[in-house]
Parts: sequence; structure tokens; C-alpha cells
Amino acid sequence: GQNIDQPTEMTATEGAIVQINCTYQTSGFNGLFWYQQHAGEAPTFLSYNVLDGLEEKGRFSSFLSRSKGYSYLLLKELQMKDSASYLCAALDSNYQLIWGAGTKLIIKP
Amino acid sequence: GAVVSQHPSWVICKSGTSVKIECRSLDFQATTMFWYRQFPKQSLMLMATSNEGSKATYEQGVEKDKFLINHASLTLSTLTVTSAHPEDSSFYICSARAGGGDFYEQYFGPGTRLTVT
Repeated sequence: GQNIDQPTEMTATEGAIVQINCTYQTSGFNGLFWYQQHAGEAPTFLSYNVLDGLEEKGRFSSFLSRSKGYSYLLLKELQMKDSASYLCAALDSNYQLIWGAGTKLIIKP
Repeated sequence: GAVVSQHPSWVICKSGTSVKIECRSLDFQATTMFWYRQFPKQSLMLMATSNEGSKATYEQGVEKDKFLINHASLTLSTLTVTSAHPEDSSFYICSARAGGGDFYEQYFGPGTRLTVT
């Protein structure tokens, strides 16, 4: 079957760095997405990786290892507004997104 | 670019009535649209996938006769919740994909909060 695993909840301190991990098992693979979702709002796109390696975009970076079925989202210089759920989703061979349950990130001052 | 709108943003209806939710891609043509449902503190659950001009493909456990989806044009898809019940109260989110190329990002609408009383 197809499966995405990510931690349910993480807590970090304002100004610090946090890494949210995601492992995936899908029928075929056409890339991995990270989305941010604030409570009561729709998800917003953060990153897309299809090749191995690190993609940096400002305070956020995303890493992919296809051989390990593994990705992480790295958030630096955490701000209170980064408190949200972070959704990992893998694109399978049918170009269908398989979603993880999301990681709720709590930022403390 | 790549803006998706949903209407209405929130709706309250009485049990037994039907509610229609519209999803529009404003500045691109969406070959595929997706409908999701999200209950409080839970992740997105894909309900159905629709391609313009063809019947929607429903996920297992989603009643196609209860959740009617119409993808009449490349910019509009509608979800009608028929004979709504309180357990249908949820956050309904649509997303749209332009298709083609190497980038299969889904652009999300702002969501519609449905409350059935």
C-alpha cells in the first residue's frame, strides 16, 4: 500500500531551527511536496523536490533522498507565525498526491 | 498567478437540504480538480478527482450519489452535498492542477466551512 509517515506534533523555540521528517512508500514516485496549513485555512505550497538533494528557499529548505524514501523540511529562525501544520505529500505514478497526516508545529517564545 | 477561489466561504444549512460549493481557477485552466474534506485536527482526505468533461473518480467510502461533482469547464468545478446531515459538517477544500509539464503542484482554494444543523 501507499503510506506517508510524519510526526504528529513538534515543539520548538522562537529563533531556533526545526527539522520535520517525512518517509514515504508509494507506487511510483514523481516528486514530493511540502505544504503549510494554518488552522482554519487551506494549505499553501512551500516546496517541491523531485531530485535528490537540498532545495533552499529563504528560511525554509527541503531535502529529498529517493533511495531512502525520505524527505525533511527545515525551518530556520523560527517565528511565531510559523506555528502551523506542515503536510508532506508524495506524487505517485498516477500523478496523484498521497498525503501525510500532517505535523503540528508549536512555536514557543 | 495560479489563484483558486471557492464560494461560499462558509454556509449553514438545515438537515435534509442540499448545498452547492463552487471552485474556480481564476487565471489558469485546470484540467484536473480535486475535492478534499477535512475534519477538525485531522489531515486532508481526498474525496474525488475530476477531469474536465468526464465523470469524477471517487475515493473508496465516498458516496457518489451524495456528493455530486460536476467539472463542466476548465475553470469551474462544483460539489453538491445532497440531503446534508450534521455529520457532513466539515471544511471542504478544492484544489486545481493545470496539468502537463514536470510540475504537478495543486493550487488550493480557501475552503468552504459547512455546518449542517
